[in-house]
Amino acid sequence: QQQVKQSPQSLIVQKGGISIINCAYENTAFDYFPWYQQFPGKGPALLIAIRPDVSEKKEGRFTISFNKSAKQFSLHIMDSQPGDSATYFCAARKGGSEKLVFGKGTKLTVNP
Amino acid sequence: NAGVTQTPKFQVLKTGQSMTLQCAQDMNHNSMYWYRQDPGMGLRLIYYSASEGTTDKGEVPNGYNVSRLNKREFSLRLESAAPSQTSVYFCASRGRVDTGELFFGEGSRLTVL
Repeated sequence: QQQVKQSPQSLIVQKGGISIINCAYENTAFDYFPWYQQFPGKGPALLIAIRPDVSEKKEGRFTISFNKSAKQFSLHIMDSQPGDSATYFCAARKGGSEKLVFGKGTKLTVNP
Repeated sequence: NAGVTQTPKFQVLKTGQSMTLQCAQDMNHNSMYWYRQDPGMGLRLIYYSASEGTTDKGEVPNGYNVSRLNKREFSLRLESAAPSQTSVYFCASRGRVDTGELFFGEGSRLTVL
């Protein structure tokens, strides 16, 4: 079964707009929630990550919002730029586990 | 500093052929991983190695074998390739136990005809 459900599959945003990508999980043992960014022809790279003891983490224009009771977390990209066009993956990991489980990805296109 | 290096970058195989994907990291990381990426499926874990000398199955291990040759190198072998194994394969490594940050290579695109 899919452990981390990500939506939408694709997203088109105008330059300067806000991009929002959502993820939901079922396993309450997950304790680490990263977001990865992948440009075409490249491997994914860590963008930002959060642990469930905080509800929000911000790094520049990127913010993770975390809702522990709803078992949901989301990535917000403020003032989206064409250079943000990429595929974004949410992921989750259980404490003490080696395995990082990924969502299916969201292809973001930011139009100039 | 090269990070995680994968070879080859591209490969075309015929059904039934075998091949090995090579991965090496120069960050002195303990854990290494092989993922496959397919359109609409995200990244799925094939095998991982928590330390030199150990390997474990991930979500989709069937049809693959791995070898953790030493701390730097982790190879993925397809013994008898099938069209369903057409994919982009990523190797990754992780250093610190208290973070989940994976460092990925640039991928190996494999086509099985």
